[in-house]
Amino acid sequence: GAGVSQSPSNKVTEKGKDVELRCDPISGHTALYWYRQSLGQGLEFLIYFQGNSAPDKSGLPSDRFSAERTGGSVSTLTIQRTQQEDSAVYLCASSLEPYGTQYFGPGTRLLVL
Amino acid sequence: AQSVSQHNHHVILSEAASLELGCNYSYGGTVNLFWYVQYPGQHLQLLLKYFSGDPLVKGIKGFEAEFIKSKFSFNLRKPSVQWSDTAEYFCAVLGGSQGNLIFGKGTKLSVKP
Repeated sequence: GAGVSQSPSNKVTEKGKDVELRCDPISGHTALYWYRQSLGQGLEFLIYFQGNSAPDKSGLPSDRFSAERTGGSVSTLTIQRTQQEDSAVYLCASSLEPYGTQYFGPGTRLLVL
Repeated sequence: AQSVSQHNHHVILSEAASLELGCNYSYGGTVNLFWYVQYPGQHLQLLLKYFSGDPLVKGIKGFEAEFIKSKFSFNLRKPSVQWSDTAEYFCAVLGGSQGNLIFGKGTKLSVKP
């Protein structure tokens, strides 16, 4: 079946602009995760959704970051007033249930100029 | 907080050489452990996982890993590497409070033909 998909695959934006990243998890997967992969920080966890609910948003790097999930499926990660340090690959993963095996999407490579 | 250490940043091998990549984790309780691989230009793929049972886990493409609880280790091995194994390898523990993965910094493997 189809894996996790993410769009766009690449995004170049100017500092100060808002960006929206999309994740489409594997059908039927209730748990959805966002991670960020950058050279200096490695792979870091951002936020988790169980269904449409994100119980803890403390992993988000700043209040410029927000995320939502609708219909227990698609999720969007929004970064407002982007900064150069936001440049990274943003990865989405889903699992059938919490604490299950996570399957990753191809990521969105974000470059903030 | 839990952490994962991968001792080797970059490993260079010739084809047919044996491979062992080190991974140590900090958590002392029940652990679920993973190795993911990221081939050049591709997304993170699950190589193998350990949840319970036989501590010697076999994965795809001839890889295996051994969970040694007393050493807090989950080293990845392959008896004979191929050029196509050139990739970055990430060890991870399912240990975050939200069922998220905690990753090591990754080990880049370069296999010379």
